[in-house]
Amino acid sequence: EAEVAQSPRYKITEKSQAVAFWCDPISGHATLYWYRQILGQGPELLVQFQDESVVDDSQLPKDRFSAERLKGVDSTLKIQPAELGDSAMYLCASSLRGTLQETQYFGPGTRLLVL
Amino acid sequence: QKEVEQDPGPLSVPEGAIVSLNCTYSNSAFQYFMWYRQYSRKGPELLMYTYSSGNKEDGRFTAQVDKSSKYISLFIRDSQPSDSATYLCATTSNDYKLSFGAGTTVTVRA
Repeated sequence: EAEVAQSPRYKITEKSQAVAFWCDPISGHATLYWYRQILGQGPELLVQFQDESVVDDSQLPKDRFSAERLKGVDSTLKIQPAELGDSAMYLCASSLRGTLQETQYFGPGTRLLVL
Repeated sequence: QKEVEQDPGPLSVPEGAIVSLNCTYSNSAFQYFMWYRQYSRKGPELLMYTYSSGNKEDGRFTAQVDKSSKYISLFIRDSQPSDSATYLCATTSNDYKLSFGAGTTVTVRA
């Protein structure tokens, strides 16, 4: 069964350092999402891609976060510099075309701890 | 105020019991309602998807939506230890952006 792949699974960093997370969506899925899930809360959308284009990054803290999906396949989310409040699970999800009735398939997430 | 409110629990029940989970939402534009299950250290997986008020059943799981009171429910019958997970309600309007509840952690004791 096809799955969304994410790496690394865990990342510990010190504040002010740069971190990067990678996501490989299910093959053929045009829509890719990055979510942040703080412990004890539900996921919150950070950025949504349709192929290589950003369609929604309204909740992305653009002073320190950046995301790209250069060839419309895999994607990288970067934080520079990391802050203590960035400690969370970063989830990647993908769907076929991003329409309403489609399922979003989530990866296992990258758990970030900023010290 | 969050758009979707969900009691975080935790909820602990004996095996075989009925589990009842609930969410309320504030935006009348929300039309599509989902329940996701998230096992520890894993990403969420879609469990149930409903559109419009009423009940939808899938095996031991029943999702219920009452749009008039903006209330979403999930019932798990004959609960099993393998049902132990965090259950997240989610909803969206026509902009496709999912709004999630905080999740309820359920433990089914053998």
